[in-house]
Amino acid sequence: QSALTQPASVSGSPGQSITISCTGTTSTIGNYNLVSWYQQHPGRAPKLVIYEGNKRPSGVSGRFSGSKSGNTASLTISGLQEEDESDYYCCSYGGFSTPYVFGTGTKVTVL
Amino acid sequence: EVQLVESGGGLVQPGRSLRLSCAASGFTFDDYAMHWVRQEPGKGLQWVSGISWDSSDINYAVSVRGRFTISRDNAKNSLYLQMDSLRLEDTAFYYCAKGIYGSGHTDFDYWGQGTLVTVSS
Repeated sequence: QSALTQPASVSGSPGQSITISCTGTTSTIGNYNLVSWYQQHPGRAPKLVIYEGNKRPSGVSGRFSGSKSGNTASLTISGLQEEDESDYYCCSYGGFSTPYVFGTGTKVTVL
Repeated sequence: EVQLVESGGGLVQPGRSLRLSCAASGFTFDDYAMHWVRQEPGKGLQWVSGISWDSSDINYAVSVRGRFTISRDNAKNSLYLQMDSLRLEDTAFYYCAKGIYGSGHTDFDYWGQGTLVTVSS
């Protein structure tokens, strides 16, 4: 199963909103609401920020939200803050042979 | 506080074996599925393998199937990854990750800090 496609980079100014896309197929994102999003700062372990499409784990800021349209999932960060500068990865159910497929990753820069 | 601590990484020659361990604490280990996810230095994440709470459901990525074996010891709150016939492309940081649920599709809500496996001659 091929990796999900994300933009290499997204940037925004403090206070703005940004959206990161994650494009798959009907076999991954399209037929299931099983997309999760992970934030990873350099040299650190990933951190779950959205699971099952649009659910936020306890302790994650309400500025993070997830959505889906067709074969594309999206992560929106509103009220962008410096601490949001990080790499972000989506992950989806990939089918019986590969249950989990990650995206290519997006570097978010706060201008 | 949930803690996942990986160990067992290191430098190994192609074709040799290595066994990774993950010591879990701060939660009821035998209630949750567990996974291994790897990341080549400077690259993206790749799911490697997962095991349900009772070891009844085990899955592997195609790239490691037949070479890697995941297991768990609920009495010891520990997760393992036996890696045989290692290849150069297995070089990566290996993360232990806790599933949100005990079985089925379980996203990864806690991660260890990772252990580096380097396959080189």
